[in-house]
Amino acid sequence: DTEVTQTPKHLVMGMTNKKSLKCEQHMGHRAMYWYKQKAKKPPELMFVYSYEKLSINESVPSRFSPECPNSSLLNLHLHALQPEDSALYLCASSFTGTETYEQYFGPGTRLTVT
Amino acid sequence: AQKVTQAQTEISVVEKEDVTLDCVYETRDTTYYLFWYKQPPSGELVFLIRRNSFDEQNEISGRYSWNFQKSTSSFNFTITASQVVDSAVYFCALTPMDSNYQLIWGAGTKLIIKP
Repeated sequence: DTEVTQTPKHLVMGMTNKKSLKCEQHMGHRAMYWYKQKAKKPPELMFVYSYEKLSINESVPSRFSPECPNSSLLNLHLHALQPEDSALYLCASSFTGTETYEQYFGPGTRLTVT
Repeated sequence: AQKVTQAQTEISVVEKEDVTLDCVYETRDTTYYLFWYKQPPSGELVFLIRRNSFDEQNEISGRYSWNFQKSTSSFNFTITASQVVDSAVYFCALTPMDSNYQLIWGAGTKLIIKP
């Protein structure tokens, strides 16, 4: 089973709202990722968790706050977003270790900030 | 410099034609990994293949085949007898050995298969 699930599929939020995106995988992967993707562009890496510890933060604004409660779950907390934050948010996971493994992606959350 | 170039922005073919998507990469590392992903209109990125820099064997999986040539720094992807369901954006990506999980993405090629 190579499935990564994400909820919700679509989200519309105002600039003063607080919301969370959720991601789950049960493949035993120990690396999990958040990406942001704008239309007609490749994904941009936001955060990487490795063994539940934040490993990479690509200078993402503090209005995005990641959380990894356990090895299967990854959240992205959103607060005071701007209209330019509207995008497809993708979660991914991969094995971690001495070799580089492929990342498996979820279906994404389409976020619209009004 | 570490870079992936997919020069074809959009390709349109008629169903059953063969089509090749080009990917050229640049890296200073001797050990690296190359990937292809498919992104249909639904949005989910689907992993297709991973190749490490020491394995130059070409690979075939059904109608899909990949040609890896280190001499030209290319990792091209061919779909034989294309089908409408192959319509998607295809991304080529590179991970150097010490990249700490980071993928260097090409800009993507939008493939349109017309019935």
